[in-house]
Amino acid sequence: EDKVVQSPLSLVVHEGDTVTLNCSYEVTNFRSLLWYKQEKKAPTFLFMLTSSGIEKKSGRLSSILDKKELFSILNITATQTGDSAVYLCAVDTNAGKSTFGDGTTLTVKP
Amino acid sequence: EAGVTQSPTHLIKTRGQQVTLRCSPISGHTSVYWYQQALGLGLQFLLWYDEGEERNRGNFPPRFSGRQFPNYSSELNVNALELEDSALYLCASSRGWVPGTDTQYFGPGTRLTVL
Repeated sequence: EDKVVQSPLSLVVHEGDTVTLNCSYEVTNFRSLLWYKQEKKAPTFLFMLTSSGIEKKSGRLSSILDKKELFSILNITATQTGDSAVYLCAVDTNAGKSTFGDGTTLTVKP
Repeated sequence: EAGVTQSPTHLIKTRGQQVTLRCSPISGHTSVYWYQQALGLGLQFLLWYDEGEERNRGNFPPRFSGRQFPNYSSELNVNALELEDSALYLCASSRGWVPGTDTQYFGPGTRLTVL
């Protein structure tokens, strides 16, 4: 059975801190790993990673995939209160199935 | 560009009833995905439709079913509702399903409460 595990489950930091969120996976026929930010309702797309070792960056957020060790990290530097959200990691397989982790709840305090 | 839309936003049903949820994908997107997010649980993959066909389904009983119409909109049907079906049901769409086209964009969800 495909499995995606995120850690930590929750995190409380202060503005300006840097955080690292982890995602490990065990799936059959891996195709891509995706990170989403979920505030209130619908997740919004952050990154899609398909190749090992290539860092994706968007402003203060960055992510990298290690297909040998089967994990990915999401880094957020200089955190702001608006970064408070649940961050979801999902793995897509070639069968078209998406498996999500339980998410990391990030709280950024002023 | 309009995003993924879902209706209704909220729904209250009683055990044993049937419900139909609707989703309209982003224009030009042919793939539609359905997810269930129960309170305290992560997103669970339900169904994937592409070009009108069911391509894959998650570990849900057969009373969860759906279809995709020629205009790529989709319905999710749940029969014989149970209390544990109470959840946020999210629909997502993507341009396709090959790498490079398969980024999923989510709708706002339908909150289903089963009493």
